[in-house]
Amino acid sequence: QVQLQESGPGLVKPSETLSLTCTVSGGSISNYYWSWIRQPPGKGLEWIGNIYYNGGTYYNPSLKSRVTMSVDTSNNHLSLKLSSMTAADTAVYYCARVQVRAGRPNWFGPWGQGTLVTVSS
Amino acid sequence: QSALTQPASVSGSPGQSITISCTGTSSDVGGYNYVSWYQQHPGKAPKVMIYEVTNRPSGISNRFSGSKSGNTASLTISGLQAEDEADYYCSSYTSSSTLVIFGGGTKVTVL
Repeated sequence: QVQLQESGPGLVKPSETLSLTCTVSGGSISNYYWSWIRQPPGKGLEWIGNIYYNGGTYYNPSLKSRVTMSVDTSNNHLSLKLSSMTAADTAVYYCARVQVRAGRPNWFGPWGQGTLVTVSS
Repeated sequence: QSALTQPASVSGSPGQSITISCTGTSSDVGGYNYVSWYQQHPGKAPKVMIYEVTNRPSGISNRFSGSKSGNTASLTISGLQAEDEADYYCSSYTSSSTLVIFGGGTKVTVL
């Protein structure tokens, strides 16, 4: 079955840009939508955005000015970049496959195990 | 776009049934059947339990069921078991520019 694994730095300095990778195994990135979702410690889930396998993106308006998502179909990788990081961006970051119906994001699964990113100097 | 509204906590004894509500608006929960529910154990990734309001993915126990009335969706867990103790989140598509919103989460405690 499809498995996802996030990777990246566990610690980022304020004002720096976060770069995360999600490796998809057991299946192809092609023909699917993929999401990044984050969860601050002890808090709820926040959707960051979606990317289609052809590179088309849709970002949460609250983060749009700072987010860049990309896809590498040859290596089955997804990437997330989030600029101008602050303490408020400290969270566990998840990648997940998106099930879409009628062009609308429907539900998320499977998910990666998540990676904790802490913003601190 | 505000988060969907869930109770902070719900508890029940083993074998009992509990229901978690998820209240939104006509722009999300009430307007579309794209409501999903996720179970999250401590330190683990969320796992989908219900999608499209009432559908269970393969492998999910039929003790979990979903429904919707107006702007409120509900997740019912019947025959409550110790392993059901976890946080539960609802999610919905929204016609606003946010596209996807989550509830604040509900902690389920098995007494």
